[in-house]
Amino acid sequence: GENVEQHPSTLSVQEGDSAVIKCTYSDSASNYFPWYKQELGKRPQLIIDIRSNVGEKKDQRIAVTLNKTAKHFSLHITETQPEDSAVYFCAASSGGGADGLTFGKGTHLIIQP
Amino acid sequence: GAVVSQHPSWVICKSGTSVKIECRSLDFQATTMFWYRQFPKQSLMLMATSNEGSKATYEQGVEKDKFLINHASLTLSTLTVTSAHPEDSSFYICSASEGFGELFFGEGSRLTVL
Repeated sequence: GENVEQHPSTLSVQEGDSAVIKCTYSDSASNYFPWYKQELGKRPQLIIDIRSNVGEKKDQRIAVTLNKTAKHFSLHITETQPEDSAVYFCAASSGGGADGLTFGKGTHLIIQP
Repeated sequence: GAVVSQHPSWVICKSGTSVKIECRSLDFQATTMFWYRQFPKQSLMLMATSNEGSKATYEQGVEKDKFLINHASLTLSTLTVTSAHPEDSSFYICSASEGFGELFFGEGSRLTVL
């Protein structure tokens, strides 16, 4: 089955700096890669996703890059703000959508004021 | 976006009792819903995939007799933790998809078994 590795487990950055979270996946058939943000005690929420036919996608301060050859994808957050503090999960699936998502272990992002 | 509602948000029960958690898609029909378990500071672990009108598909290592899943309609799936024990204490989250890829999560249910 799919195996998703996520690094780092904890990331602390100064407010205003950029943050990068990286994930690798094992199943070359995976074609859908969403990122979720989970604030303490709340439900995960989709912040951005990318499909295998695209190499990069951007939404304001958030961007995701995908390297299919190397089987890794990354989340980039620029100009970080205190409200970006949360746990971020990457995920991968081969069904083109929500079915069969395998999650990474999560990254606790801490924005230092 | 679509809304998934989960109830109860927290429950405390005695060891040996059963607890039912409901997951509803409020404004869309979900032929498939997913149930996850999340330990503190850990990732979401898929427990089972719930399909409307058929038996749930359980992940390896998840006891189907322990965690009963019923998906009786296109908007409701239930997870029943039977004969709960303290080691079943956890955060349980459901999710559903409209079928276009995006997954919507319920608020989660924190179960504490005394």
